[in-house]
Amino acid sequence: DVKVTQSSRYLVKRTGEKVFLECVQDMDHENMFWYRQDPGLGLRLIYFSYDVKMKEKGDIPEGYSVSREKKERFSLILESASTNQTSMYLCASSLTSLKTQYFGPGTRLLVL
Amino acid sequence: AQSVTQLDSHVSVSEGTPVLLRCNYSSSYSPSLFWYVQHPNKGLQLLLKYTSAATLVKGINGFEAEFKKSETSFHLTKPSAHMSDAAEYFCVVTRAPPYNNNDMRFGAGTRLTVKP
Repeated sequence: DVKVTQSSRYLVKRTGEKVFLECVQDMDHENMFWYRQDPGLGLRLIYFSYDVKMKEKGDIPEGYSVSREKKERFSLILESASTNQTSMYLCASSLTSLKTQYFGPGTRLLVL
Repeated sequence: AQSVTQLDSHVSVSEGTPVLLRCNYSSSYSPSLFWYVQHPNKGLQLLLKYTSAATLVKGINGFEAEFKKSETSFHLTKPSAHMSDAAEYFCVVTRAPPYNNNDMRFGAGTRLTVKP
């Protein structure tokens, strides 16, 4: 079974803090993704990565950066958290770009 | 460009009655369509997908969906709801294979409530 894990289920941060969200997959998948999920908006793609050290912007990259130093790990970074980044963050991975995405359980981030 | 509209934000059914979750899509290309389910405090799980083969697609847990090109619809159905079906459901569109996972468009979601 594919397993995608996220480092925290719930996180509370203050405005201006630097925030790291970690995602790890255990199936040697090439592609990894970060989405945010907001009520009434569904999921929106922030960034994705198709290989180590490779990254591409999704639909809403502003205010975020990512890091993929190892194949199994994909980090989302909020350089200076703002209240409008309060959201549920979902990580996903897929073997290739054509294969099914597997999602982690999500990190609910609250920025005060 | 592609987009998807889930016509109901919330659907409530009684246990044992049919489920219908509606999804319309818009796509400049031949589409691939997916339904995902998200149970509380869990990640999304793929229910089923259409990728230009049979128009009636069967998925897990007794769900199925029918691709209707003339109506640009991909509604999700189940003959008899179970309490464990209570969850949020997402309709997703991308282009027909070869597609990229980075080009998927998610609907806003439909919350399904199942009453005893």
